[in-house]
Amino acid sequence: ILNVEQSPQSLHVQEGDSTNFTCSFPSSNFYALHWYRWETAKSPEALFVMTLNGDEKKKGRISATLNTKEGYSYLYIKGSQPEDSATYLCATNSGNTPLVFGKGTRLSVIA
Amino acid sequence: DSGVTQTPKHLITATGQRVTLRCSPRSGDLSVYWYQQSLDQGLQFLIQYYNGEERAKGNILERFSAQQFPDLHSELNLSSLELGDSALYFCASSVVDGGWHTEAFFGQGTRLTVV
Repeated sequence: ILNVEQSPQSLHVQEGDSTNFTCSFPSSNFYALHWYRWETAKSPEALFVMTLNGDEKKKGRISATLNTKEGYSYLYIKGSQPEDSATYLCATNSGNTPLVFGKGTRLSVIA
Repeated sequence: DSGVTQTPKHLITATGQRVTLRCSPRSGDLSVYWYQQSLDQGLQFLIQYYNGEERAKGNILERFSAQQFPDLHSELNLSSLELGDSALYFCASSVVDGGWHTEAFFGQGTRLTVV
């Protein structure tokens, strides 16, 4: 069974701080890596989908990198704002199979 | 708004009962996925349909079943409910057929409480 680990489990940062969290996964037979943002009482929202080793994607102040050889992805948030408070979910798969989600990193940005 | 609609938003029912959760995918999306989020667990994939046909199956219990109708909406049926079935059930949709390299659009979920 594919195991997707996210760390840290939760994080509190001050407004304006930059932060990052990690998603670790088995590197063998990698297919795709997804990042989602899930705000309380809302739908999980796709941030990035990455498939190639070395991929880097950016959306505003949020960016992500992917290392498929060592089995990790980083999500970075620059200059955190209160509206960034959410749970960030990572999901991946082995071959063209259903995604396996991690338990998420819960980010709280304190104004 | 993701464009994926799930009803009802909340459901409280007794053990042993049967419930139906409904999902309308985004306009144009042919794939529908069902996920279960239990306490302290990651999203668990249950089942996927593409254009009316079952495409992939996860650890879905035999007491659970799903279908996708010609108008592409989907229903997840949960029967002989147990306390442990209490969870948030998400539906998601995407355009492509089993394309796990493309993003999925999630509904807001149905919170099921079994008492």
